[in-house]
Amino acid sequence: DGGITQSPKYLFRKEGQNVTLSCEQNLNHDAMYWYRQDPGQGLRLIYYSQIVNDFQKGDIAEGYSVSREKKESFPLTVTSAQKNPTAFYLCASSIVGQSSYEQYFGPGTRLTVT
Amino acid sequence: QQPVQSPQAVILREGEDAVINCSSSKALYSVHWYRQKHGEAPVFLMILLKGGEQKGHEKISASFNEKKQQSSLYLTASQLSYSGTYFCGTGHGSSNTGKLIFGQGTTLQVKP
Repeated sequence: DGGITQSPKYLFRKEGQNVTLSCEQNLNHDAMYWYRQDPGQGLRLIYYSQIVNDFQKGDIAEGYSVSREKKESFPLTVTSAQKNPTAFYLCASSIVGQSSYEQYFGPGTRLTVT
Repeated sequence: QQPVQSPQAVILREGEDAVINCSSSKALYSVHWYRQKHGEAPVFLMILLKGGEQKGHEKISASFNEKKQQSSLYLTASQLSYSGTYFCGTGHGSSNTGKLIFGQGTTLQVKP
């Protein structure tokens, strides 16, 4: 079955520690995205990548970093510089083309930092 | 820049209709609609494109008014399974970049 996997589902960390969230897709999509969702809020774009070895900052990139060494993988690191990291993190992917294509979302990782 | 959705919340009885609006302050290239159940990932419903092409779901329809920079999602004869939070995501610029800006969401509750 094709899809997006995110691991782990729940993650707990102490303040001051960096943490990396995994995102893997086998849909052969060129574009991948990371969103943050806070309770009762919409999705805010952290980073996105349309091609391997290239990525762009979204609206709330401060305190986060990403890499895109493989088409299938787009890990997100939440650094200690992120002031309020506790949130639900969603990874998505899509086809890239002239038209606009649906984004397929992974199941999400709920990060709690104390 | 974030699109504004209205209403914020709706409560319906099964079989009733609902309309959810999404309004942007910027010119639109595309509008995506997604539904999210609590604690789950958003699920795709519909894409509307500048120029009128529409792709999406059988039982739910939508409109796209380029001039007013608005889109509306129409849920007819609602079912219990329609409950969830609906998000619009807007694409801007003259062509597709893949980047979307999401609204704050509209919570829909369908009761028996």
